[in-house]
Amino acid sequence: NAGVTQTPKFQVLKTGQSMTLQCAQDMNHEYMSWYRQDPGMGLRLIHYSVGAGITDQGEVPNGYNVSRSTTEDFPLRLLSAAPSQTSVYFCASRPGHVNTEAFFGQGTRLTVV
Amino acid sequence: AQTVTQSQPEMSVQEAETVTLSCTYDTSESNYYLFWYKQPPSRQMILVIRQEAYKQQNATENRFSVNFQKAAKSFSLKISDSQLGDTAMYFCAFMNTDKLIFGTGTRLQVFP
Repeated sequence: NAGVTQTPKFQVLKTGQSMTLQCAQDMNHEYMSWYRQDPGMGLRLIHYSVGAGITDQGEVPNGYNVSRSTTEDFPLRLLSAAPSQTSVYFCASRPGHVNTEAFFGQGTRLTVV
Repeated sequence: AQTVTQSQPEMSVQEAETVTLSCTYDTSESNYYLFWYKQPPSRQMILVIRQEAYKQQNATENRFSVNFQKAAKSFSLKISDSQLGDTAMYFCAFMNTDKLIFGTGTRLQVFP
């Protein structure tokens, strides 16, 4: 089982560049989320989706876009990278009903210079 | 909006001893779920234990147990017989229908 797959694992961007972080899950989970992890800040929710075609903003959505055209994929787009977006990004998925374990990808370490 | 607060940025404990990590949360909802996740240096997120808010009985998983005080909105994690492999970041998390929200984490160091 692949679970939740994030690509790439590491990325360096220049300020102003755009890029897409990929997230795919093979568990047919309805819910998918993107988090960023920064020292002393924990994991903060960027965007989430409760099903294909449905997305919503989390705690820190500015500078990021998402879409959910299929159940399996939930890409995160950085439109114009800024140094403040240097972070470790995690994608997570879980089944639709509550009290279910969330499964996480291995994370993407992004550095914006 | 829901918030999760972990007031202990770092904790340390000697091997075989017991340690308690604190977590408080704020919500106006009555139906929700609480979790503790562990993140070792590998960065992998691992579920440690979960608690359903409507259950009064505290959850237990082997050496890990919680003290859930719903009225006080408190959800602490007790680790008994600490092991070197317990060294990690521990995150408290709140889940409602749509969102899973995390606290800022507690870094736990277990010493031999």
